[in-house]
Amino acid sequence: NAGVTQTPKFRILKIGQSMTLQCTQDMNHNYMYWYRQDPGMGLKLIYYSVGAGITDKGEVPNGYNVSRSTTEDFPLRLELAAPSQTSVYFCASSFQPSVNTIYFGEGSWLTVV
Amino acid sequence: QQPVQSPQAVILREGEDAVINCSSSKALYSVHWYRQKHGEAPVFLMILLKGGEQKGHDKISASFNEKKQQSSLYLTASQLSYSGTYFCGTEIAGTYKYIFGTGTRLKVLA
Repeated sequence: NAGVTQTPKFRILKIGQSMTLQCTQDMNHNYMYWYRQDPGMGLKLIYYSVGAGITDKGEVPNGYNVSRSTTEDFPLRLELAAPSQTSVYFCASSFQPSVNTIYFGEGSWLTVV
Repeated sequence: QQPVQSPQAVILREGEDAVINCSSSKALYSVHWYRQKHGEAPVFLMILLKGGEQKGHDKISASFNEKKQQSSLYLTASQLSYSGTYFCGTEIAGTYKYIFGTGTRLKVLA
């Protein structure tokens, strides 16, 4: 059982480049989330989704876009990368977050230079 | 909106106890607790579903006071493996946003 799978694990981007962080879950969860965690800091919600075709902004959405065409996949798109987007990105999913566990991917380390 | 945790950091000797608090300005219907080791994803510890509930897991337990919008995590007879950053997490009432508290760094020394 793979759980939540994120790719890539590590990536270095140049300023102005774009990329997509992939996230897939095999638990048939409707709720999916993207967080960023800056060094020594907490987790900030970027975007979330409550089902295929439904996404909404979190606490820090600027500079990012998401889509949810299937239940399994929730990719995060970084447009015009900036040094401020250097961070660790975590994808997470849950069946129903108020009463169930949130499952995390292993994280994606992104450096923008 | 982010729940505030206290203390921000704590250093313990093995065998000592610690309490980590999580306080929200918004209504809490449930609280999760996680521990994160350096370079790893957060790991789920426990969920508290209703006010006044207390749960335990080995020597780690938690309480949840719905009326005060607070939760506390109790670590008893701490072990080296307890070191890490602890986060509370909750779904903002009336939304589907799941957010985390400010975090508490805990270090246990031999």
